[in-house]
Amino acid sequence: AQKVTQAQTEISVVEKEDVTLDCVYETRDTTYYLFWYKQPPSGELVFLIRRNSFDEQNEISGRYSWNFQKSTSSFNFTITASQVVDSAVYFCALSEGKKTSYDKVIFGPGTSLSVIP
Amino acid sequence: DTGVSQDPRHKITKRGQNVTFRCDPISEHNRLYWYRQTLGQGPEFLTYFQNEAQLEKSRLLSDRFSAERPKGSFSTLEIQRTEQGDSAMYLCASSPRSGTGGSGETQYFGPGTRLLVL
Repeated sequence: AQKVTQAQTEISVVEKEDVTLDCVYETRDTTYYLFWYKQPPSGELVFLIRRNSFDEQNEISGRYSWNFQKSTSSFNFTITASQVVDSAVYFCALSEGKKTSYDKVIFGPGTSLSVIP
Repeated sequence: DTGVSQDPRHKITKRGQNVTFRCDPISEHNRLYWYRQTLGQGPEFLTYFQNEAQLEKSRLLSDRFSAERPKGSFSTLEIQRTEQGDSAMYLCASSPRSGTGGSGETQYFGPGTRLLVL
């Protein structure tokens, strides 16, 4: 069965600090996809990144970076020089890639990040 | 390019009443999904449409819930005889993926409808 674990329920950091959000996933599929979404207080889920299981390259986008390690089944997300606007709930998610799949997304419980000015 | 829209954004109803939510996906997106999110949890899958065909339903979707996508465009989710346990955020998402099979196509979410059952 698929499962996504985000052990950190809540994190508080002071503005300009770096912060890493952890994500550990479980799946028996060899082909799968990982995602991060941001949910600000307004409630809308905002897509941040998609990564397939065959691409272990780390990715950087501005202040955001992602570290994908298949050996530890982890897909961690780091925000560098955090800002107040980064305050939100962040979800790590997983979907299967097999032929019988329909891209159902399994979400983790989320990590609530508060950036204090 | 407009995103996924949902209506209403908020709904307060009394237990036992019926409610209906609407989702308009991104234009020409073939796949449409409904998810439910309760406080402090991640979204949970409810159901999925490929064009107008409802191809999968979660066990979370009791017989009081029904969803339609009559012309393969917008979708409605109806809850009959609402219960307090139905209070949640109902999220709609769409993706351009055509055909069957998983491809990890990104799903784009609407703002959600927040339901409160008194």
